[in-house]
Amino acid sequence: GDSVTQMEGPVTLSEEAFLTINCTYTATGYPSLFWYVQYPGEGLQLLLKATKADDKGSNKGFEATYRKETTSFHLEKGSVQVSDSAVYFCALTGSGGSNYKLTFGKGTLLTVNP
Amino acid sequence: NAGVTQTPKFQVLKTGQSMTLQCAQDMNHNSMYWYRQDPGMGLRLIYYSASEGTTDKGEVPNGYNVSRLNKREFSLRLESAAPSQTSVYFCASSGDRVVWYFGPGTRLLVL
Repeated sequence: GDSVTQMEGPVTLSEEAFLTINCTYTATGYPSLFWYVQYPGEGLQLLLKATKADDKGSNKGFEATYRKETTSFHLEKGSVQVSDSAVYFCALTGSGGSNYKLTFGKGTLLTVNP
Repeated sequence: NAGVTQTPKFQVLKTGQSMTLQCAQDMNHNSMYWYRQDPGMGLRLIYYSASEGTTDKGEVPNGYNVSRLNKREFSLRLESAAPSQTSVYFCASSGDRVVWYFGPGTRLLVL
C-alpha cells in the first residue's frame, strides 16, 4: 500500500538557519503530495502541495518539489524563524481508486531557537 | 464560515465508559474523515465517509463506530473505551480530495 517516510526528529535550529526535512514515498501511479504543519495545541493546516511530477509547491517561504524519479518531496526553507516551530507532516493521496484518504508520515518536530 | 468544528475539546473517561465525538463542517464537503494521532505514529485513519449515507473502515477501526448523520455531521463513537484509545482525534473534510481541512482536535484520556 501507500506509505510515507520522513526524517525522524526532533530538529533543532537557530533562527535564520536553512531547513531541510526529507520525505520519500511509496505509491502506485501518480500520487498528489502535501506538507501539513501543526502548531502547538492546534489542528493540521495545509502548508503546500504538488499534484504532478516536477511541480513545486511553495508557501510562507517553504518549498518542496515533486521528484518522481527519486520518489521524494523534501521540504526546504532558506531562513527559519522562531514562529516556524511546529510539527511538519508529509502526506500523499494515491491516484485513481486510492485517492480517498491522506496517508501521513510520522511527523518531524522542528524547534527554532532565537 | 467556521470550517471544521469538533466537540468536546478534551475528555477523560474510565475504562469501559462510552462516548461520542462530534464533528461538523460548513463547507458542503462530501467526504469526511476521522483520524487519531499518537506520538511517533503520525495520523492514522479510523473511518471515513465518502458521501452522505456511506461509511468505510480505515486502517485502525477496531473499537470504534461512526455515523454520517447528514452531509454536515460525522460522529465517532467509542462503545467501551480502553486505555489504548487514549489519543488526539482529528476530524477532517474534503470537497475535492485535493485539499483536506482539519478540525482542532479532541484530546481523549482513558484511565
